[in-house]
Amino acid sequence: KAGVTQTPRYLIKTRGQQVTLSCSPISGHRSVSWYQQTPGQGLQFLFEYFSETQRNKGNFPGRFSGRQFSNSRSEMNVSTLELGDSALYLCASSTDPQGLNEKLFFGSGTQLSVL
Amino acid sequence: DQQVKQNSPSLSVQEGRISILNCDYTNSMFDYFLWYKKYPAEGPTFLISISSIKDKNEDGRFTVFLNKSAKHLSLHIVPSQPGDSAVYFCAASANNDMRFGAGTRLTVKP
Repeated sequence: KAGVTQTPRYLIKTRGQQVTLSCSPISGHRSVSWYQQTPGQGLQFLFEYFSETQRNKGNFPGRFSGRQFSNSRSEMNVSTLELGDSALYLCASSTDPQGLNEKLFFGSGTQLSVL
Repeated sequence: DQQVKQNSPSLSVQEGRISILNCDYTNSMFDYFLWYKKYPAEGPTFLISISSIKDKNEDGRFTVFLNKSAKHLSLHIVPSQPGDSAVYFCAASANNDMRFGAGTRLTVKP
């Protein structure tokens, strides 16, 4: 079974631009979560989607948005990029966090650098 | 707000000795707790978990302890091996929402 796939692996943007990151979950997984990792801050929760619906959202500004498609693939978008948005963005999937199997399976992440 | 806290950013232990990583949480609604391990340039991988109805779960060299009254959990690794050197994240979950701590970098010296 293929793991969680995130594209692109690396991205360089300039301030003010927008970016779209993509995540393909493990086949059969319907829940997709996004996290931002920065040094010293650990993994900050962005949002979680299940069956194309956003079920939870973290404390990030509206510039951060996401969506999930019918095939469970997900994208996140960051508009009007700021220098502080430079981070590793991780996507994770699971069968359903409400079930017994609550562990998340992570992709390798997209390293975003904003110049 | 940091609902899950790992107050030690780093820990160094000698090979063969015990590693103890600590984690505190503030939200009493959390009912499932997990530890993840992360190597550089890779995503975190699941290590071990514990439900709030238990106070201990063991898997080989890894044991997680949960103290609900203190809102504290810990991960014990014994014996520690150089391959255990990584960043360890504590996570807590409730209602489809999983929150992570800032991580502890464990270095196991040969």
